[in-house]
Amino acid sequence: EIVMTQSPATLSVSPGERATLSCRASQSVSSNLAWYQQKPGQAPRLLIYGASTRATGIPARFSGGGSGTEFTLTISSLQSEDFAVYYCQQYDNWPPWTFGQGTKVEIK
Amino acid sequence: EVQLLESGGGLVQPGGSLRLSCAASGFAFSSYAMSWVRQAPGKGLEWVSHVGTNGGSTYYADSVKGRFTISRDISWTTLHLQMDSLRAEDTALYYCATRSGRYAPFEYWGQGTLVTVSS
Repeated sequence: EIVMTQSPATLSVSPGERATLSCRASQSVSSNLAWYQQKPGQAPRLLIYGASTRATGIPARFSGGGSGTEFTLTISSLQSEDFAVYYCQQYDNWPPWTFGQGTKVEIK
Repeated sequence: EVQLLESGGGLVQPGGSLRLSCAASGFAFSSYAMSWVRQAPGKGLEWVSHVGTNGGSTYYADSVKGRFTISRDISWTTLHLQMDSLRAEDTALYYCATRSGRYAPFEYWGQGTLVTVSS
């Protein structure tokens, strides 16, 4: 089973600032890595797939990078609606499909 | 517009059973693999089960293997999860989600149905 580890657990950022979230896989997942955003009381929403491709309707301030075992999600200028929990997930080697434990982006 | 609507959750005693359903619309249901993903209160996401496009290939997380059964009804464009021998640790919000290919993320998610296992 591939273990996904996200850091930090919580990220405190001021609106308008840049946020960088990290995700590490226990073995290579190539570029088969997705990022999801989850707001309180809502289902997760796909943001990024293929490590760097934005899903339909996702603003350009969200960008993903990395391959193999190290990945990042960057939000270039945080808007109020971006404060949420973000999860990475690998879909390279399955089953099981595995998620990171999440990074909460909160208002500083 | 893709819509996934889960139902069937509720309060059940340990050892009991529930059958979850996910009604799909707005996309070619028979062309998508489907999964159940759960989220315990205040916790992260955990994949539970997968069924392939033709219903023939199924997979389960070790935590539910032998207790849960996934199925799909293409005629009614509905996904099911039969949950038996429920335990307190199965308490969670259960989401259904789509996957369009072998190497694909979970593209679309329902809003979830809450399962509470408690005496």
